[in-house]
Amino acid sequence: DAKTTQPPSMDCAEGRAANLPCNHSTISGNEYVYWYRQIHSQGPQYIIHGLKNNETNEMASLIITEDRKSSTLILPHATLRDTAVYYCIVRVAGSARQLTFGSGTQLTVLP
Amino acid sequence: DVKVTQSSRYLVKRTGEKVFLECVQDMDHENMFWYRQDPGLGLRLIYFSYDVKMKEKGDIPEGYSVSREKKERFSLILESASTNQTSMYLCASSQGGSPLHFGNGTRLTVT
Repeated sequence: DAKTTQPPSMDCAEGRAANLPCNHSTISGNEYVYWYRQIHSQGPQYIIHGLKNNETNEMASLIITEDRKSSTLILPHATLRDTAVYYCIVRVAGSARQLTFGSGTQLTVLP
Repeated sequence: DVKVTQSSRYLVKRTGEKVFLECVQDMDHENMFWYRQDPGLGLRLIYFSYDVKMKEKGDIPEGYSVSREKKERFSLILESASTNQTSMYLCASSQGGSPLHFGNGTRLTVT
């Protein structure tokens, strides 16, 4: 699985959009981009994933660049409960292989 | 909603004890995983299983074993607990290449 690079921490004002970047320059053509988050003292929670098209669900939007070497997770109206560590992972869908988690980005939503 | 349940949130054991960590999922998922999470190291895969009685080593299997006698249950075994196995242990499950669903973790302290 390709390696990802994320900033270690970010702040965001409550009610504003939070944009979390991720670089995955060695991604292969059959690898998807997944985002998870982990709120303190809980297990990681799946947010969204995509291959090359932008994706949106009730939690977030995922923007993947045309060359697929980077992506951005967007939380459109961040709340205090969105404070968490956000992990960007790339993985071959349909594979039973493990996800490799990096250190992620600590997002702090400020009141 | 998928539910992954880990039997204990907190566990304290002595060095040399045999320790069992239990995980149960309720969605008939084929794949189950055990990770450990340590500060600064992210999540590291210990073992995973893609079917009953099947198992594969992850990145850090030394000092651990697993058991999957039934599809819904995946046990992690520390044959002889050591202090360097003090960690947060996370269980996850998935169906095929679908996103992983995590339990809330077991914080194990070995004294």
